[in-house]
Amino acid sequence: DTEVTQTPKHLVMGMTNKKSLKCEQHMGHRAMYWYKQKAKKPPELMFVYSYEKLSINESVPSRFSPECPNSSLLNLHLHALQPEDSALYLCASSHREGDEKLFFGSGTQLSVL
Amino acid sequence: EDQVTQSPEALRLQEGESSSLNCSYTVSGLRGLFWYRQDPGKGPEFLFTLYSAGEEKEKERLKATLTKKESFLHITAPKPEDSATYLCAVQAGGGTSYGKLTFGQGTILTVHP
Repeated sequence: DTEVTQTPKHLVMGMTNKKSLKCEQHMGHRAMYWYKQKAKKPPELMFVYSYEKLSINESVPSRFSPECPNSSLLNLHLHALQPEDSALYLCASSHREGDEKLFFGSGTQLSVL
Repeated sequence: EDQVTQSPEALRLQEGESSSLNCSYTVSGLRGLFWYRQDPGKGPEFLFTLYSAGEEKEKERLKATLTKKESFLHITAPKPEDSATYLCAVQAGGGTSYGKLTFGQGTILTVHP
């Protein structure tokens, strides 16, 4: 199994809603990542988890809250988002933090109204 | 600061018309240079990793090469299914950006039948 699975594929939420994005991998990877990608732009790193501990937070606003319940799962909790947060949110994994090859999921297309 | 510049921004080819995409980079100690392919609404798909100047990698109609300042992705006799955005990324080997991927803006390739 070489897949990173993200749910939901699409999400529409209001600015007062609370929602969560989920990501799962069963490749035994110990590093997991959240990226944000706006249309026609490259992916931007948000968070890195290494061995289930937060390793990197790229100065992301607190309305985005990551969680890594175990080595296979990664969540991104969303609260009080702004319309400019609308984007494709990508999860990725690698064997270890700093390993060169990232496996990306298909992403969650988020629209904030 | 690590920088990656890809050119052209967009490239339109006829089926069978070979061409090259360019990725110029500035990085503090290159650990690796990566090429990814991204289809609309999907996550990036890993293509190649290059580690040192002079290295070449091939996969079907694609060939990636690396010098000390840039990388080329050569596409030989492309087909419409090669249409996608091609992303270049570098991974630094030193300083505060250790292990972090820096992406270029991407080249949007369209191959017409």
